[in-house]
Amino acid sequence: DTGVSQDPRHKITKRGQNVTFRCDPISEHNRLYWYRQTLGQGPEFLTYFQNEAQLEKSRLLSDRFSAERPKGSFSTLEIQRTEQGDSAMYLCASRGTGVNEQFFGPGTRLTVL
Amino acid sequence: AQSVTQLGSHVSVSEGALVLLRCNYSSSVPPYLFWYVQYPNQGLQLLLKYTSAATLVKGINGFEAEFKKSETSFHLTKPSAHMSDAAEYFCAVSPQAAGNKLTFGGGTRVLVKP
Repeated sequence: DTGVSQDPRHKITKRGQNVTFRCDPISEHNRLYWYRQTLGQGPEFLTYFQNEAQLEKSRLLSDRFSAERPKGSFSTLEIQRTEQGDSAMYLCASRGTGVNEQFFGPGTRLTVL
Repeated sequence: AQSVTQLGSHVSVSEGALVLLRCNYSSSVPPYLFWYVQYPNQGLQLLLKYTSAATLVKGINGFEAEFKKSETSFHLTKPSAHMSDAAEYFCAVSPQAAGNKLTFGGGTRVLVKP
């Protein structure tokens, strides 16, 4: 069990640039979740996939955010035209069928200058 | 709709003393409840979960929590704090239905004094 992995672990970018993060879930897990955590706060739900279908998106996910899971395995989260308010830790989690817990990756910390 | 309130953003305990972290939830449907721990610059690790079986749940590292429906609470306890327990703790709720997205509380940072 290699766990959930995320890449990169840290990203520093300038305002206005686009960034893309990758999440590789535990291999047999069909559900994948993205959360955002700002400093001193609990994680907030962004979106989730069941296999390749994106089944729910939070209102936090503005038009500048897009997530994909093209083959039902890894997922990408892209932020276009980054703003300083996008600075946060982006967490990915996965869950298998019949299992009630989500397994979290180490997160990608984004800093927008 | 679901929400979680964690009372106390910071808790300081002496090594060997009782750890008590409070969590109250609001849910319009039967919930699942979770406690996660987060060490600096790391993801979340599950401590324990309530999934409608036993109301007293035991987790890893000596932690336990009790689900009290009448009080809408799921407080986390550990009888004797260890230095390694210094971390941030998050209570979370999810619906039992499909999707199961987690709604987290604001977190409680635990400081353990020698």
